[in-house]
Amino acid sequence: KAGVTQTPRYLIKTRGQQVTLSCSPISGHRSVSWYQQTPGQGLQFLFEYFSETQRNKGNFPGRFSGRQFSNSRSEMNVSTLELGDSALYLCASSLARLGDEQYFGPGTRLTVT
Amino acid sequence: AQSVTQLGSHVSVSEGALVLLRCNYSSSVPPYLFWYVQYPNQGLQLLLKYTTGATLVKGINGFEAEFKKSETSFHLTKPSAHMSDAAEYFCAVSRGGSQGNLIFGKGTKLSVKP
Repeated sequence: KAGVTQTPRYLIKTRGQQVTLSCSPISGHRSVSWYQQTPGQGLQFLFEYFSETQRNKGNFPGRFSGRQFSNSRSEMNVSTLELGDSALYLCASSLARLGDEQYFGPGTRLTVT
Repeated sequence: AQSVTQLGSHVSVSEGALVLLRCNYSSSVPPYLFWYVQYPNQGLQLLLKYTTGATLVKGINGFEAEFKKSETSFHLTKPSAHMSDAAEYFCAVSRGGSQGNLIFGKGTKLSVKP
Protein backbone atom coordinates (compact mmCIF):
# COMPACT_ATOMS: atom_id res chain seq x y z
CA LYS A 1 0.00 0.00 0.00
CA ALA A 2 1.44 3.37 -0.96
CA GLY A 3 2.20 5.80 1.85
CA VAL A 4 1.25 9.44 2.24
CA THR A 5 2.70 11.55 -0.54
CA GLN A 6 3.29 15.28 -0.50
CA THR A 7 4.17 17.60 -3.34
CA PRO A 8 6.29 19.51 -3.86
CA ARG A 9 9.05 18.39 -1.49
CA TYR A 10 10.85 21.71 -1.55
CA LEU A 11 9.62 25.20 -2.29
CA ILE A 12 11.13 28.67 -2.19
CA LYS A 13 8.79 31.64 -2.18
CA THR A 14 9.07 35.38 -1.65
CA ARG A 15 7.41 37.30 1.16
CA GLY A 16 3.89 38.35 0.16
CA GLN A 17 3.35 35.51 -2.28
CA GLN A 18 0.96 32.63 -1.74
CA VAL A 19 1.62 28.92 -1.89
CA THR A 20 -0.39 25.71 -2.25
CA LEU A 21 0.82 22.39 -0.91
CA SER A 22 -0.69 19.05 -1.83
CA CYS A 23 -1.17 15.81 0.08
CA SER A 24 -2.40 12.42 -1.08
CA PRO A 25 -3.41 10.16 1.83
CA ILE A 26 -3.14 6.41 2.12
CA SER A 27 -5.88 4.72 0.16
CA GLY A 28 -9.00 4.37 2.29
CA HIS A 29 -8.04 7.05 4.78
CA ARG A 30 -10.66 9.78 5.03
CA SER A 31 -8.93 12.01 7.56
CA VAL A 32 -6.09 14.31 6.59
CA SER A 33 -4.30 16.53 9.10
CA TRP A 34 -1.69 19.20 8.54
CA TYR A 35 1.12 20.15 10.91
CA GLN A 36 3.78 22.85 10.84
CA GLN A 37 7.25 22.00 12.15
CA THR A 38 9.76 24.71 13.05
CA PRO A 39 12.88 24.63 15.24
CA GLY A 40 11.39 27.19 17.62
CA GLN A 41 7.79 26.06 17.97
CA GLY A 42 8.16 22.37 17.23
CA LEU A 43 5.24 20.45 15.74
CA GLN A 44 1.98 22.38 15.72
CA PHE A 45 -1.41 21.26 14.47
CA LEU A 46 -2.90 23.35 11.67
CA PHE A 47 -6.18 21.67 10.77
CA GLU A 48 -7.89 18.37 10.01
CA TYR A 49 -10.24 17.47 7.21
CA PHE A 50 -12.62 14.54 7.26
CA SER A 51 -14.94 13.72 4.38
CA GLU A 52 -14.30 17.12 2.77
CA THR A 53 -15.16 19.04 5.96
CA GLN A 54 -12.80 20.83 8.30
CA ARG A 55 -13.63 19.39 11.69
CA ASN A 56 -10.71 20.54 13.79
CA LYS A 57 -8.51 23.60 13.67
CA GLY A 58 -5.37 24.75 15.43
CA ASN A 59 -4.39 28.24 16.46
CA PHE A 60 -3.12 29.72 13.21
CA PRO A 61 -4.14 32.93 11.42
CA GLY A 62 -6.67 32.92 8.62
CA ARG A 63 -3.87 33.13 6.05
CA PHE A 64 -3.62 29.37 6.49
CA SER A 65 -6.45 27.49 4.85
CA GLY A 66 -7.09 24.09 3.41
CA ARG A 67 -9.54 21.90 1.64
CA GLN A 68 -10.19 18.26 0.93
CA PHE A 69 -11.50 16.72 -2.24
CA SER A 70 -13.90 13.84 -2.70
CA ASN A 71 -10.99 11.44 -3.23
CA SER A 72 -9.59 12.53 0.18
CA ARG A 73 -6.66 14.37 -1.34
CA SER A 74 -6.00 17.61 0.48
CA GLU A 75 -4.39 20.94 -0.22
CA MET A 76 -3.32 23.67 2.11
CA ASN A 77 -2.83 27.26 1.10
CA VAL A 78 -0.86 30.01 2.76
CA SER A 79 -1.52 33.52 1.52
CA THR A 80 0.59 36.62 2.00
CA LEU A 81 3.64 34.65 3.06
CA GLU A 82 5.78 35.89 5.94
CA LEU A 83 9.36 34.98 6.77
CA GLY A 84 8.07 33.11 9.83
CA ASP A 85 6.10 30.74 7.62
CA SER A 86 9.35 29.03 6.66
CA ALA A 87 8.89 25.51 7.99
CA LEU A 88 8.44 21.85 7.22
CA TYR A 89 4.76 21.22 6.53
CA LEU A 90 3.69 17.68 7.31
CA CYS A 91 0.55 15.97 6.19
CA ALA A 92 -0.83 12.92 7.98
CA SER A 93 -3.67 10.59 7.16
CA SER A 94 -5.72 8.29 9.34
CA LEU A 95 -8.75 6.04 9.39
CA ALA A 96 -9.85 8.32 12.24
CA ARG A 97 -11.31 5.61 14.43
CA LEU A 98 -10.75 6.00 18.16
CA GLY A 99 -7.11 5.38 18.97
CA ASP A 100 -5.98 5.20 15.37
CA GLU A 101 -2.52 6.46 14.61
CA GLN A 102 -1.68 9.02 11.98
CA TYR A 103 0.62 8.20 9.09
CA PHE A 104 2.88 11.02 8.02
CA GLY A 105 4.19 12.03 4.64
CA PRO A 106 7.77 13.19 4.05
CA GLY A 107 6.79 16.85 4.27
CA THR A 108 7.16 19.94 2.14
CA ARG A 109 10.07 22.21 3.08
CA LEU A 110 8.92 25.81 2.50
CA THR A 111 11.47 28.60 2.56
CA VAL A 112 10.23 32.19 2.45
CA THR A 113 12.79 34.82 1.46
CA ALA B 1 -6.28 21.15 27.64
CA GLN B 2 -3.79 18.52 26.74
CA SER B 3 -0.04 18.94 26.81
CA VAL B 4 3.12 16.86 26.57
CA THR B 5 6.47 17.45 28.25
CA GLN B 6 9.58 15.65 27.11
CA LEU B 7 12.43 15.92 29.60
CA GLY B 8 15.76 16.49 27.89
CA SER B 9 16.02 17.98 24.44
CA HIS B 10 19.22 15.98 23.84
CA VAL B 11 20.13 12.54 25.14
CA SER B 12 23.42 10.82 24.39
CA VAL B 13 24.08 7.13 25.01
CA SER B 14 26.79 4.66 24.05
CA GLU B 15 26.07 1.89 21.61
CA GLY B 16 24.69 -1.08 23.56
CA ALA B 17 23.50 1.06 26.48
CA LEU B 18 19.94 1.50 27.71
CA VAL B 19 17.88 4.16 26.01
CA LEU B 20 15.39 6.02 28.21
CA LEU B 21 13.41 8.95 26.80
CA ARG B 22 11.00 10.62 29.18
CA CYS B 23 7.50 11.82 28.44
CA ASN B 24 4.86 13.23 30.77
CA TYR B 25 1.42 14.24 29.64
CA SER B 26 -1.50 16.25 30.86
CA SER B 27 -5.01 15.31 29.80
CA SER B 28 -8.48 15.82 31.22
CA VAL B 29 -9.74 12.68 29.52
CA PRO B 30 -8.19 9.23 29.14
CA PRO B 31 -5.49 9.86 26.56
CA TYR B 32 -4.23 8.05 23.55
CA LEU B 33 -0.43 8.20 23.61
CA PHE B 34 2.07 7.83 20.82
CA TRP B 35 5.80 7.82 20.19
CA TYR B 36 7.07 8.84 16.77
CA VAL B 37 10.60 8.95 15.38
CA GLN B 38 11.92 11.37 12.80
CA TYR B 39 15.10 10.85 10.80
CA PRO B 40 16.73 13.85 9.10
CA ASN B 41 14.75 15.25 6.16
CA GLN B 42 11.96 12.73 6.66
CA GLY B 43 8.45 12.62 8.05
CA LEU B 44 7.42 10.97 11.30
CA GLN B 45 7.25 7.21 11.72
CA LEU B 46 5.13 5.60 14.40
CA LEU B 47 7.11 3.58 16.97
CA LEU B 48 4.25 2.54 19.22
CA LYS B 49 0.97 3.64 20.72
CA TYR B 50 -1.14 3.17 23.84
CA THR B 51 -4.91 3.21 23.60
CA THR B 52 -6.40 0.92 26.26
CA GLY B 53 -5.54 -2.36 27.91
CA ALA B 54 -2.02 -3.55 28.64
CA THR B 55 0.07 -0.69 29.96
CA LEU B 56 3.38 -2.03 28.61
CA VAL B 57 3.39 -1.46 24.88
CA LYS B 58 5.91 -2.96 22.48
CA GLY B 59 6.79 -1.21 19.27
CA ILE B 60 9.07 -1.50 16.29
CA ASN B 61 12.87 -1.69 16.38
CA GLY B 62 12.94 -3.08 19.93
CA PHE B 63 11.35 -0.05 21.60
CA GLU B 64 8.72 -0.25 24.30
CA ALA B 65 6.89 2.17 26.56
CA GLU B 66 4.91 1.89 29.76
CA PHE B 67 1.77 3.89 30.47
CA LYS B 68 1.68 4.92 34.14
CA LYS B 69 -1.54 6.75 34.89
CA SER B 70 -0.57 7.62 38.47
CA GLU B 71 2.60 9.33 37.21
CA THR B 72 1.04 10.65 33.98
CA SER B 73 4.05 9.26 32.18
CA PHE B 74 4.74 7.31 29.02
CA HIS B 75 8.52 6.83 28.93
CA LEU B 76 10.18 5.16 25.94
CA THR B 77 12.90 2.56 26.47
CA LYS B 78 15.15 0.25 24.51
CA PRO B 79 17.51 -2.18 26.25
CA SER B 80 20.43 -1.78 23.85
CA ALA B 81 21.04 1.22 21.62
CA HIS B 82 22.17 0.85 18.01
CA MET B 83 23.84 3.51 15.89
CA SER B 84 20.78 3.46 13.65
CA ASP B 85 18.62 4.68 16.58
CA ALA B 86 20.13 8.17 16.31
CA ALA B 87 17.17 10.38 15.43
CA GLU B 88 14.64 12.73 17.01
CA TYR B 89 11.82 11.23 19.05
CA PHE B 90 8.45 12.80 19.68
CA CYS B 91 5.86 11.89 22.28
CA ALA B 92 2.28 12.86 21.42
CA VAL B 93 -1.17 12.75 23.01
CA SER B 94 -4.60 12.70 21.42
CA ARG B 95 -8.17 12.73 22.63
CA GLY B 96 -9.19 10.52 19.72
CA GLY B 97 -12.14 10.57 17.37
CA SER B 98 -13.14 13.99 16.11
CA GLN B 99 -10.52 15.47 18.47
CA GLY B 100 -7.87 13.19 17.08
CA ASN B 101 -5.24 15.77 16.32
CA LEU B 102 -1.92 15.10 17.95
CA ILE B 103 -0.37 17.36 20.57
CA PHE B 104 3.38 16.86 20.42
CA GLY B 105 6.17 17.33 22.88
CA LYS B 106 9.18 19.39 21.84
CA GLY B 107 11.14 16.30 20.91
CA THR B 108 14.30 14.59 22.17
CA LYS B 109 17.29 14.22 19.91
CA LEU B 110 19.04 10.92 20.59
CA SER B 111 22.74 10.56 19.81
CA VAL B 112 24.44 7.16 19.92
CA LYS B 113 28.20 7.05 20.46
CA PRO B 114 30.26 4.15 19.12
